[in-house]
Amino acid sequence: VQLVQSGAEVKKPGESLKLSCQASGYSFPLYWIAWVRQMPGKGLEWMGTIYPGDSETRYSPPFEGLVTISSDRSIRTAYLQWSSLQASDTAIYYCVRSCTVPFCYFDSWGQGTLVTVSS
Amino acid sequence: SAALTQPPSLSVSPGQTATITCSGDNWGDKNVCWYQQKPGQSPFLVIFEDTRRPSGIPERFSGSSSGSTATLTISETQAMDEAVYYCQAWDTSTVIFGGGTKLTVL
Repeated sequence: VQLVQSGAEVKKPGESLKLSCQASGYSFPLYWIAWVRQMPGKGLEWMGTIYPGDSETRYSPPFEGLVTISSDRSIRTAYLQWSSLQASDTAIYYCVRSCTVPFCYFDSWGQGTLVTVSS
Repeated sequence: SAALTQPPSLSVSPGQTATITCSGDNWGDKNVCWYQQKPGQSPFLVIFEDTRRPSGIPERFSGSSSGSTATLTISETQAMDEAVYYCQAWDTSTVIFGGGTKLTVL
């Protein structure tokens, strides 16, 4: 199992952003993929999850409406996007493989994408 | 509100046993897992479903659960075990992490 994330980003407040996470080594449609945020020097926060089989999504309440999680089965890729970034979005974002149910442990982690939002 | 509480830090000497707790009033009947994160690295799973070890995780790592507290035990702690450890639980609508415990091996 491997999850390869897109590279680091530096953005200005108000800009949009879409991160990617390409999966390999397992049946992509069958496992939920989640996104986890880690702000500088802080702990882990679950943002939401998607089932690539039918694109069903579930969001953590603090992140609902602020980010969009999507996926493209044809290229085995999940996405996390913002329409308008804020400085407080500065963090490392990890994509993680979950189970065949929406809420579970995470047995594989991407390398993380550092997002820096600064004017 | 739902929360998982971990001690912020723990120090042990090499060869000693490290015990890290994770408490949550509303999560006592839920499965817990544990992750290790070293500086500059992604977290990785060391215990899942309270007690199970993924392939490749040393037997020194073990998990247990009683009441509303889950415990990660590292026997014969080594310098390479120095890291931040996070517990995680989930229910039918959300996933929650503990705040993390920084384990220092002196």
